[in-house]
Amino acid sequence: AQSVAQPEDQVNVAEGNPLTVKCTYSVSGNPYLFWYVQYPNRGLQFLLKYITGDNLVKGSYGFEAEFNKSQTSFHLKKPSALVSDSALYFCAVRVFSGGYNKLIFGAGTRLAVHP
Amino acid sequence: SAVISQKPSRDICQRGTSLTIQCQVDSQVTMMFWYRQQPGQSLTLIATANQGSEATYESGFVIDKFPISRPNLTFSTLTVSNMSPEDSSIYLCSTRGGQGSGTGELFFGEGSRLTVL
Repeated sequence: AQSVAQPEDQVNVAEGNPLTVKCTYSVSGNPYLFWYVQYPNRGLQFLLKYITGDNLVKGSYGFEAEFNKSQTSFHLKKPSALVSDSALYFCAVRVFSGGYNKLIFGAGTRLAVHP
Repeated sequence: SAVISQKPSRDICQRGTSLTIQCQVDSQVTMMFWYRQQPGQSLTLIATANQGSEATYESGFVIDKFPISRPNLTFSTLTVSNMSPEDSSIYLCSTRGGQGSGTGELFFGEGSRLTVL
């Protein structure tokens, strides 16, 4: 079955330290992978995507993600965390099902950045 | 990108009633997607709404419970029928942001937070 997993419910990091939020996937064919962020009482905001090309993709707010085909992973990273980065982060993968391309989402990881 | 507006942003509903959520996009789009986010959970796709055809529902969701309209290329509604407390969720409308956009990322509205008493 096609799926995406976020193994950590929560990640805690001190402000200024690097952060990583993990994501692994299982899909047939070449994966299209995405990261979204959700702030309290808000909808989802698109951060970045991997379609093809360089394994390191850069996105909004200084975030980047590394695609690793052999490990079927797409971890989200940031070199220096900010308190304002505290939010819920979702990894997603595109699947083709029922005649449409759709996104399925991981369970989400809550990022807490402490001053 | 696309700007997506949803109404209502939140509502408190009584058991057994129905509520219709409206979704307006600032550009013409082929497909619109309705997701549900239950408290503390991830997003689950309810259905895909393609203009001019019946919505396609995911496993576990049925038209009688979640009827969807798609009257034109910028608008859709989702009705949550005969609500129970288990329907308390955030309902999110999304789209790819323009016809022909093939790279797959979705853009979301702010969501409609429903609480059923």
